[in-house]
Amino acid sequence: QKEVEQNSGPLSVPEGAIASLNCTYSDRGSQSFFWYRQYSGKSPELIMSIYSNGDKEDGRFTAQLNKASQYVSLLIRDSQPSDSATYLCAVNPAGNQFYFGTGTSLTVIP
Amino acid sequence: NAGVTQTPKFRILKIGQSMTLQCTQDMNHNYMYWYRQDPGMGLKLIYYSVGAGITDKGEVPNGYNVSRSTTEDFPLRLELAAPSQTSVYFCASSSAGQETQYFGPGTRLLVL
Repeated sequence: QKEVEQNSGPLSVPEGAIASLNCTYSDRGSQSFFWYRQYSGKSPELIMSIYSNGDKEDGRFTAQLNKASQYVSLLIRDSQPSDSATYLCAVNPAGNQFYFGTGTSLTVIP
Repeated sequence: NAGVTQTPKFRILKIGQSMTLQCTQDMNHNYMYWYRQDPGMGLKLIYYSVGAGITDKGEVPNGYNVSRSTTEDFPLRLELAAPSQTSVYFCASSSAGQETQYFGPGTRLLVL
């Protein structure tokens, strides 16, 4: 069983719509959770981090964590063409190692 | 403040050659990591370090070696390059084990 699973997509949404990205993880002891955005040919950059159950909002981005169900999601409101990228979910299962999902490719259509 | 820098940006190796990928960070982070990313895949941890003189294996350490003599530098050594090591290599650093990781620009390696 993979540590972190994401729907690879591609996910296409029209400009201005809400994009919903999901991630599940296998280790119940996981402590910290991250969403990274990666443009083609570039390195990952942090979008959001979340450590406790519930929602965390930052501008157009909202991360949602449900430890009981072992999933973490990212909502992007008012999606823009510049949001088109691959979104990586990363999980830290209480230690020094991060496990990354394979990423979800998002395309925002103008 | 340059963050995390990596050299070279791109390299072609022949099978059996060796090379060192350089990584330097100027954020005084204790934790440093090496990942590889194959096309369409997520990041796989090769090695990590929690401080100068301390390193440990990640998910995919075979064929690689690391050292950490200073806080700033964390080079990755490839011995006897194989086509399976064709990948993009990212170095990252963080202030602590569960904190945000900051990534370098990556090194694209092609082994022929």
